[in-house]
Amino acid sequence: QKEVEQNSGPLSVPEGAIASLNCTYSDRGSQSFFWYRQYSGKSPELIMFIYSNGDKEDGRFTAQLNKASQYVSLLIRDSQPSDSATYLCAVKGNTGFQKLVFGTGTRLLVSP
Amino acid sequence: GAVVSQHPSRVICKSGTSVKIECRSLDFQATTMFWYRQFPKQSLMLMATSNEGSKATYEQGVEKDKFLINHASLTLSTLTVTSAHPEDSSFYICSAREQQETQYFGPGTRLLVL
Repeated sequence: QKEVEQNSGPLSVPEGAIASLNCTYSDRGSQSFFWYRQYSGKSPELIMFIYSNGDKEDGRFTAQLNKASQYVSLLIRDSQPSDSATYLCAVKGNTGFQKLVFGTGTRLLVSP
Repeated sequence: GAVVSQHPSRVICKSGTSVKIECRSLDFQATTMFWYRQFPKQSLMLMATSNEGSKATYEQGVEKDKFLINHASLTLSTLTVTSAHPEDSSFYICSAREQQETQYFGPGTRLLVL
């Protein structure tokens, strides 16, 4: 079982719709969760982080965390073609350097 | 968010030469820096983790004598690819973190070894 799992996609949504990106993780002791966006040929950029159960909103983005289910998601409201990218879920480990463990990413395509 | 820079952004070199990539945290002190490699259409692969003033910790399968990492100060880490070969051609990305805070990525360096 992979430590952080994401559906590779592509997830296709029409412009203006809500895109829902999901991620599950295996380490029940994980405390910090991050969403990064990576455009093709570019490095990842941080979108949001979440530490507590529940929802955290930032503009069009909402991160949701359910530690009991070991599940974290990212909702993108009013999706735009410019949101088309690969979205990486990352979980911070509890040991050593507390390295980020990345999922393989979900490719999102927003069609005009 | 915090800013991390990398230099150069792109480098082409001949097989057998060495290439040095710099990673700098511009507005914070990076106690820990990470080096990743990413091949086309593949996931990020962590190569090594370095703390300022300490030797880098390499991931399994990454040759420490080939990929030399120096984290000489709280704002600078370097990755040197020694005796580069075509199979080392990849996208190298650093990231930096202050204490246990959030990790920010540099813009990456695209290496092409001919």
